[in-house]
Amino acid sequence: GQQLNQSPQSMFIQEGEDVSMNCTSSSIFNTWLWYKQDPGEGPVLLIALYKAGELTSNGRLTAQFGITRKDSFLNISASIPSDVGIYFCAGSIKAAGNKLTFGGGTRVLVKP
Amino acid sequence: EAQVTQNPRYLITVTGKKLTVTCSQNMNHEYMSWYRQDPGLGLRQIYYSMNVEVTDKGDVPEGYKVSRKEKRNFPLILESPSPNQTSLYFCASSPAQRGTEAFFGQGTRLTVV
Repeated sequence: GQQLNQSPQSMFIQEGEDVSMNCTSSSIFNTWLWYKQDPGEGPVLLIALYKAGELTSNGRLTAQFGITRKDSFLNISASIPSDVGIYFCAGSIKAAGNKLTFGGGTRVLVKP
Repeated sequence: EAQVTQNPRYLITVTGKKLTVTCSQNMNHEYMSWYRQDPGLGLRQIYYSMNVEVTDKGDVPEGYKVSRKEKRNFPLILESPSPNQTSLYFCASSPAQRGTEAFFGQGTRLTVV
């Protein structure tokens, strides 16, 4: 089945800096979604992308749907402590009945 | 408040003892699904339901059952739990078609010993 490779697996952030993470796939996706999961909570939908090349922002978050439809990235600008958590990308394909496939997650931690 | 509610939040059980994890949403969503989350594997779909009385298998359905008798409820049933079903489980719902899961529950951490 489809697989999403999400990188990095983990990262440390310092308050105020910009960070970026991405997802790649060997398959084309019709939809890309980005979620954030806080400890002890369920994932929360951050951004949904439906068109190749689409660039969408949600506050300090920006995500893009890659032109090849095989990748997506998420940027966090001016990071703050509450940005810590696990970020998941997910993609769906119409031909597969729009089933969501999730990446393995990027764990964002604060630099000690 | 719009929400997806799962119960229980934590459960420890023994191998072979049937259990049910309940899921309820108050948003009148047609689409609901169950996922399990395991370290490094992200979330994998177990079962989904497009509407009342319509359910179908996801990626990892073995050992699980579901039912959708009412729009708001979508329980997950483990008839004979085994240790490899120890995991973190999430229910999700969406007003739209499959593939745009907008709301997740808070999760149920299940341990099977």
